[in-house]
Amino acid sequence: QKEVEQNSGPLSVPEGAIASLNCTYSDRGSQSFFWYRQYSGKSPELIMFIYSNGDKEDGRFTAQLNKASQYVSLLIRDSQPSDSATYLCAVTGNEKLTFGTGTRLTIIP
Amino acid sequence: NAGVMQNPRHLVRRRGQEARLRCSPMKGHSHVYWYRQLPEEGLKFMVYLQKENIIDESGMPKERFSAEFPKEGPSILRIQQVVRGDSAAYFCASSPRLGTSGSTDTQYFGPGTRLTVL
Repeated sequence: QKEVEQNSGPLSVPEGAIASLNCTYSDRGSQSFFWYRQYSGKSPELIMFIYSNGDKEDGRFTAQLNKASQYVSLLIRDSQPSDSATYLCAVTGNEKLTFGTGTRLTIIP
Repeated sequence: NAGVMQNPRHLVRRRGQEARLRCSPMKGHSHVYWYRQLPEEGLKFMVYLQKENIIDESGMPKERFSAEFPKEGPSILRIQQVVRGDSAAYFCASSPRLGTSGSTDTQYFGPGTRLTVL
C-alpha cells in the first residue's frame, strides 16, 4: 500500500464548477497535510495546509481533513482554466514530506 | 523576501561526470530538503539538512550521492559519476523550523534544477 494515494486522473471539470480532489494516507502518525499545485515543467506551489480535523477555507479553496478516516481533500470552487495543473497531496510525520503521485486536473472552458 | 533559489536551472552532463546542484533557502529558514522528481512521477524525498548537519538521508541512494549544508553558503547536492537514470528534476525546499504541526513545518520549493545525462 502506498503511503499517500491519489487518483491520478485526469480529472476534467467544466469551468465554473467545483473540482474535488481526494487523498488518503496510511500513517496514522501524520501530523500536517498539504496541497501543492504543480504546472507542467514548474516547481510545486503551496496552496494550503491543514492540521486539524474539519474544513479550512482560503478564497476559492477548501481543504478538508478527517484523521479517523485518514482522508484529506481539496475543493476548488468556481474552477478557472488557470486551475488546470497537477495537484499534489503531501503529509508530514517525521520532518519530511511524503507526496502522492498527484492528480491531473483539466478545467474545460 | 526572496524565495528559495536554486542553480543552475538546467544542467547537462555526460555519463561519468559530476553534477553539483545548489540551493539557497528562504531568508530566515534553517531547514533544507532535497527531492527528486522523475519524468511523469511524483516527488521523492532524498535528504533533510540543517546547518552543518544531515538530519535524515533515508531517501538518498547509498552510492554516488551526497549532500551538505555548510555554515556559510548554499546547500549542495552532489552526484558523482552520473548515469542516465539520474536524469530528473531536483527540487530543494526550505522551512523556517521544525514544528509538530502548522505553518512552521511548511516547506516552500525552489524552481528546481533539471539534470539531463547524455
